[in-house]
Amino acid sequence: SQTIHQWPATLVQPVGSPLSLECTVEGTSNPNLYWYRQAAGRGLQLLFYSVGIGQISSEVPQNLSASRPQDRQFILSSKKLLLSDSGFYLCAWSVQSETEAFFGQGTRLTVV
Amino acid sequence: GENVEQHPSTLSVQEGDSAVIKCTYSDSASNYFPWYKQELGKRPQLIIDIRSNVGEKKDQRIAVTLNKTAKHFSLHITETQPEDSAVYFCAASFNTDKLIFGTGTRLQVFP
Repeated sequence: SQTIHQWPATLVQPVGSPLSLECTVEGTSNPNLYWYRQAAGRGLQLLFYSVGIGQISSEVPQNLSASRPQDRQFILSSKKLLLSDSGFYLCAWSVQSETEAFFGQGTRLTVV
Repeated sequence: GENVEQHPSTLSVQEGDSAVIKCTYSDSASNYFPWYKQELGKRPQLIIDIRSNVGEKKDQRIAVTLNKTAKHFSLHITETQPEDSAVYFCAASFNTDKLIFGTGTRLQVFP
């Protein structure tokens, strides 16, 4: 069966520090991969999505970036965190477009 | 632009009553419309979805309706129970690959 792993579960980082959140999927190949951010009391904001290795589409031009170095690995990064980067980050995958998306457990990031 | 609007933001109902959540989307080419439930502290999970070639879909106490002409779709929960309390998100596909979510509805079911 397919599983998605996202880590770390919680993270407290100072302003200006770098960020690296990792997401991996097991049990499938060539999945669509997504990064969403959920601010407190708000909806799920699409940050990046990828339909294949090296193919990254950015939805929000910020100080965040994403990479897909391997077929089932999706990484969210930042060189310098801002206070506004705090939130709940969710990775998700789907077998193909326009099918059910499965979410990871999420990473709660607090920038202090 | 690509947008999904969701109303209401909060909804309180008495146990046994029905709950309705409505969403509108901006792109008439969207073909896929899922609904997710997120319980407190947990990840969102799919509860039902509908595609553009279908007008209505039911699964026990939940149903979704789609009006492609008006570009809106709705979630209906009948005979609500306290365990239905959660945040519900609608979503729509854009350019096939993107899944854009609404802002969520916090449903509270009072016993």
